[in-house]
Amino acid sequence: NAGVTQTPKFQVLKTGQSMTLQCAQDMNHEYMSWYRQDPGMGLRLIHYSVGAGITDQGEVPNGYNVSRSTTEDFPLRLLSAAPSQTSVYFCASKIAGELFFGEGSRLTVL
Amino acid sequence: SQELEQSPQSLIVQEGKNLTINCTSSKTLYGLYWYKQKYGEGLIFLMMLQKGGEEKSHEKITAKLDEKKQQSSLHITASQPSHAGIYLCGADPVEGAQKLVFGQGTRLTINP
Repeated sequence: NAGVTQTPKFQVLKTGQSMTLQCAQDMNHEYMSWYRQDPGMGLRLIHYSVGAGITDQGEVPNGYNVSRSTTEDFPLRLLSAAPSQTSVYFCASKIAGELFFGEGSRLTVL
Repeated sequence: SQELEQSPQSLIVQEGKNLTINCTSSKTLYGLYWYKQKYGEGLIFLMMLQKGGEEKSHEKITAKLDEKKQQSSLHITASQPSHAGIYLCGADPVEGAQKLVFGQGTRLTINP
């Protein structure tokens, strides 16, 4: 059972470039979410989805887009990367109150 | 917006000692979650508390939620090197809101 899988694990971008962080889960969870983790700031919610076709904004949604076309996948898109988006990104799915996290994607924007 | 304050931000204890990490909110917590993160890895679910006065234990870790549901504590008894990591509390800001927010984390170091 793979759980929550994130790709890539590491990525370096130049300012203005675009990219997509992939997230897939094989537990048939309806709820999925994206967080970013920065030193001293804990985890901050970017976007979340309560099911296929439904997405909503979290605490820090600016600069990020998401879509949920299937239950399994919840990609996070950066349309024009900025240095402020340098962070570690975590995808998570949830059932019965328990969040299951991926291993994280470390993104550096130069 | 819901803000969760964790204290202390970092903690260094000698192996075998007990320790407590606190998580405080200015608003009622509708679900309080504790997670542990090993350095450079994802988060592992520890416990969930929902009712005022609730207490749960797993191995040497005990978590409590106060009666007002505004403060939670995580207590580790007889700490071991395997307890080292970052502990984060998370909570639902509004009942059923599905927007789990987190505190800034407490970095725990266990010295032999």
